[in-house]
Amino acid sequence: DAGVTQSPTHLIKTRGQHVTLRCSPISGHKSVSWYQQVLGQGPQFIFQYYEKEERGRGNFPDRFSARQFPNYSSELNVNALLLGDSALYLCASTLSPQGRAGANVLTFGAGSRLTVL
Amino acid sequence: GQNIDQPTEMTATEGAIVQINCTYQTSGFNGLFWYQQHAGEAPTFLSYNVLDGLEEKGRFSSFLSRSKGYSYLLLKELQMKDSASYLCAVSRAGYALNFGKGTSLLVTP
Repeated sequence: DAGVTQSPTHLIKTRGQHVTLRCSPISGHKSVSWYQQVLGQGPQFIFQYYEKEERGRGNFPDRFSARQFPNYSSELNVNALLLGDSALYLCASTLSPQGRAGANVLTFGAGSRLTVL
Repeated sequence: GQNIDQPTEMTATEGAIVQINCTYQTSGFNGLFWYQQHAGEAPTFLSYNVLDGLEEKGRFSSFLSRSKGYSYLLLKELQMKDSASYLCAVSRAGYALNFGKGTSLLVTP
């Protein structure tokens, strides 16, 4: 079975531009989460989606948005890019956001490394 | 609060044992997770604890004390490939994982 797949793997943008990152969860997983990881830091939660609905949002500005499609894949959009948005963007999937902690084990994709110049 | 504290860096010798500590302050605690992340790669799941006590998985063990807001990851028989960042993360019920900044472990010959 394929794991969590993300695209693109690397991209370079300039300040003010817009970016769309894509994620396909593990087959059967209905929940997708997005995390931002700046170099030398732990991942920071951005969004969680389950059954196409937003279930949680981290402390990120409105320039960040996301959505989940009927096939459970997801997109993360970032508008008006800033230099500080340069980071590794990680997508993770899990069966469900509810239930015991064991059911919430996140499986991460390899990430999309965004560089903003 | 969601403060999660873990040491920034640790160094240990191949074949030795190392303990990486993690302290946290959280409400709605639903579990504590440990992930391993090699440089330039995605985090991979190592273990989780929901109840107090020790969970053992091969060379890796994780301990939790909910009353003390404390956990540790124990790595035995260290190998060079264990050089990586180890991330402590706390789960709130039905929600996101809150990660610490990670502990960079260097295993030396």
